[in-house]
Amino acid sequence: GEDVEQSLFLSVREGDSSVINCTYTDSSSTYLYWYKQEPGAGLQLLTYIFSNMDMKQDQRLTVLLNKKDKHLSLRIADTQTGDSAIYFCAYKERTGTYKYIFGTGTRLKVLA
Amino acid sequence: KAGVTQTPRYLIKTRGQQVTLSCSPISGHRSVSWYQQTPGQGLQFLFEYFSETQRNKGNFPGRFSGRQFSNSRSEMNVSTLELGDSALYLCASSSGQGGTEAFFGQGTRLTVV
Repeated sequence: GEDVEQSLFLSVREGDSSVINCTYTDSSSTYLYWYKQEPGAGLQLLTYIFSNMDMKQDQRLTVLLNKKDKHLSLRIADTQTGDSAIYFCAYKERTGTYKYIFGTGTRLKVLA
Repeated sequence: KAGVTQTPRYLIKTRGQQVTLSCSPISGHRSVSWYQQTPGQGLQFLFEYFSETQRNKGNFPGRFSGRQFSNSRSEMNVSTLELGDSALYLCASSSGQGGTEAFFGQGTRLTVV
């Protein structure tokens, strides 16, 4: 079934690390994604991970995937005020088409 | 390389009217998907078009329709608007040929009064 869950809010201090978590139910998903949405804007693709990987690092971003527990996380190192936004995890259905199932989104607030 | 362009950015319509939204994908991309974003339901998949054909459809009533032109530009239409159709409508552009990434436009904010 289609179900992706995220916690709604996260608040961190500038310079600290942020960890945003996501759990999903569809074990057939091949790619999992993290998107960022700033107020009044569309979705910005941050990074993605293939389902046979455990970890992917991209500058300040680290994605961890625990396929057994169907748990995905996004770690942002040295969090800045510009990182304040809503973060969505998503997976691409294994249908050969571009249907993405999105989580509820986590609102990250970075305190100066 | 230009990104995904959605027009208009904002729209106000009255209940019962119909509306057409436009999306121009990234040059060379042949797949366009549409999503509805509301505070209550989050991001919901509407449909996907590839090479002028609808490849997948979400669980929305028939009032929601779309099409894709030979230049890959896509339009979505909502007829007989209801208050609950007020939302941010996002389109996503993908290569459509095994590519892994989808890039989103800024969205069209539709308000139905």
